[in-house]
Amino acid sequence: ILNVEQSPQSLHVQEGDSTNFTCSFPSSNFYALHWYRWETAKSPEALFVMTLNGDEKKKGRISATLNTKEGYSYLYIKGSQPEDSATYLCASLNAGGTSYGKLTFGQGTILTVHP
Amino acid sequence: SAVISQKPSRDICQRGTSLTIQCQVDSQVTMMFWYRQQPGQSLTLIATANQGSEATYESGFVIDKFPISRPNLTFSTLTVSNMSPEDSSIYLCSVSSGPNEQFFGPGTRLTVL
Repeated sequence: ILNVEQSPQSLHVQEGDSTNFTCSFPSSNFYALHWYRWETAKSPEALFVMTLNGDEKKKGRISATLNTKEGYSYLYIKGSQPEDSATYLCASLNAGGTSYGKLTFGQGTILTVHP
Repeated sequence: SAVISQKPSRDICQRGTSLTIQCQVDSQVTMMFWYRQQPGQSLTLIATANQGSEATYESGFVIDKFPISRPNLTFSTLTVSNMSPEDSSIYLCSVSSGPNEQFFGPGTRLTVL
């Protein structure tokens, strides 16, 4: 059974602050790590899919890194804005499973950015 | 990316009743999945909806409780049967055409009284 852990559980920051969250996952049989941004009443929005150790990806003010050997990924937000407020989910895809869509999710980090 | 819609977006139901949730995709997709998120918990995969055959259920989920249909490559339904308050969750469908992509619908928020 895969256990994907995210920390912190929730985070409050001021507008303009930079912040980061952690996702840890079992490194054995790793295939890919997905990051999603989920606003209430909307679809989870895919941010990044990362597969290679040392991967770094960037989308505007948001970036992510991946360490598959030690089993963690960081998500960074630079200069947080109130519209960044959402739940950020990571999910691990395990190689060798019966379904390549079987993502195992962490519990998410709830980010609130105060004006 | 695929555009996915779900109906209903939310519902409040009495215990012992059943609710069927619909998922419609704007293009043909290989894989469709159903997830749920109970309050304070992670998104958890219920089953893979297989076109033309029985769904593949994850450990802890059974067909009698969560019957799934997938009559074609763009549509699926999930029924939550004989509901109890513990079934109060957000139910999401998702689609994938490869291991490096998975898109989600907006979810159905279910409250069981």
